[in-house]
Amino acid sequence: SQKIEQNSEALNIQEGKTATLTCNYTNYSPAYLQWYRQDPGRGPVFLLLIRENEKEKRKERLKVTFDTTLKQSLFHITASQPADSATYLCALPPGGYNKLIFGAGTRLAVHP
Amino acid sequence: EAQVTQNPRYLITVTGKKLTVTCSQNMNHEYMSWYRQDPGLGLRQIYYSMNVEVTDKGDVPEGYKVSRKEKRNFPLILESPSPNQTSLYFCASRPGQGAGEQYFGPGTRLTVT
Repeated sequence: SQKIEQNSEALNIQEGKTATLTCNYTNYSPAYLQWYRQDPGRGPVFLLLIRENEKEKRKERLKVTFDTTLKQSLFHITASQPADSATYLCALPPGGYNKLIFGAGTRLAVHP
Repeated sequence: EAQVTQNPRYLITVTGKKLTVTCSQNMNHEYMSWYRQDPGLGLRQIYYSMNVEVTDKGDVPEGYKVSRKEKRNFPLILESPSPNQTSLYFCASRPGQGAGEQYFGPGTRLTVT
C-alpha cells in the first residue's frame, strides 16, 4: 500500500537558519505532492503544490523539491523565524485526483 | 470571508448514540472531504464527494456515513459511535476535481465513552 514517511522526531533549529524537512513515499508515482502547515488545535493550511514534471517550486522563503526517482520531496524554510514553528505535513494522491493521503507530519521548532 | 465551518467543535458522547457533525463551505467548491487525525497516524481520509449526490469511500470509511444533498454542505454521520472513533475530525473542500489546495475547517474533537 502507499506509504508516506516524514521524520517523526521534532526538528529544532536556531532562528535565521534554514530548516529542511523530508517526505519519502513508496509504491506509487504521484502526479503531484502538497505541503501543509498545521498549528496545534487547528486545521492544516496549504502552502505549496509541486507537480511531477517540476523539480523545484518557490514561494517567498519556502522552497520545495520533488525527486520522482528517489521518491522524495524536500521542504525548505530559509531565514527561519520562531513564527515558523508548527507541524508540516506532506500529502499526495495515491491514484487520480480524488483521494489524498498524508504523512504524519514533522514538528518544527525555531528557537530565538 | 471564505471558509469551511464545522459544528460542533467539541463533542463528548456515549457509545451507540447517533451523532452528526456538520460541515459547510461558502466558496462554491465542488469537492469536499472528511478526515480523521490520530496521534502518530496523521490525517486519514474517511469519505469524499466530487459534487452533489456523488460520494465515495476514502481509506477509513467503516462506521461512518455521509451525504451531499447541497453543494455547500457535507455532514458526517456516525450511526453508532464506538470508542475507537474518538478522534479529531477535519472537513476540507477544494474548487474542483483536479489537483489543488484544500481548505480545511477548524476541526471537531470527538470523544466517545
